[in-house]
Amino acid sequence: AQSVSQHNHHVILSEAASLELGCNYSYGGTVNLFWYVQYPGQHLQLLLKYFSGDPLVKGIKGFEAEFIKSKFSFNLRKPSVQWSDTAEYFCAGGGSGNTGKLIFGQGTTLQVKP
Amino acid sequence: GAVVSQHPSWVICKSGTSVKIECRSLDFQATTMFWYRQFPKQSLMLMATSNEGSKATYEQGVEKDKFLINHASLTLSTLTVTSAHPEDSSFYICSASEGGPGTDTQYFGPGTRLTVL
Repeated sequence: AQSVSQHNHHVILSEAASLELGCNYSYGGTVNLFWYVQYPGQHLQLLLKYFSGDPLVKGIKGFEAEFIKSKFSFNLRKPSVQWSDTAEYFCAGGGSGNTGKLIFGQGTTLQVKP
Repeated sequence: GAVVSQHPSWVICKSGTSVKIECRSLDFQATTMFWYRQFPKQSLMLMATSNEGSKATYEQGVEKDKFLINHASLTLSTLTVTSAHPEDSSFYICSASEGGPGTDTQYFGPGTRLTVL
């Protein structure tokens, strides 16, 4: 069965700390992977996406993610977090077939202390 | 950038009534729109996929007669919660993709908070 799982449910960091949020997927075929962020009171925004090509993907606001096929992982990273990064982060996967459906991970709440 | 709007942003209704939620793509034509439901502190659960001019495809366990979806144009999809009950109270989110399904990015609306009394 297709699934996306996020290991960390709640992460608390101090400003300037490095961030890595885990995401693992299980898909039968080619997969497209996404990271979305939901700031408090706002809608989901796309941080970055991977369809093919370079497995290291750079997104907005200094975020990046690495697709490691052998580990079925697509972890999100940021070298130095800011208080404004406090938000809910969702990893999502979609098959490259003809439906376009996304399966979301459980989400990770990131709290950055000033 | 691609912008998706939803209306209303919140609605309170009495049990047994029907509520319609609109999802619009403002600056692009959406071939496909998706409807999600999000419970507090939980992830998004896909309810259905709608393509312009055709019937929606519902996920397993979602009652199609209760959650009516109409994708009337390339910029508008509506979700009608019929005979709403308190257990239907939730945060409903739509998304839209502008290109062909399977490889395109979904852009999300701000969501609609439904409270059924």
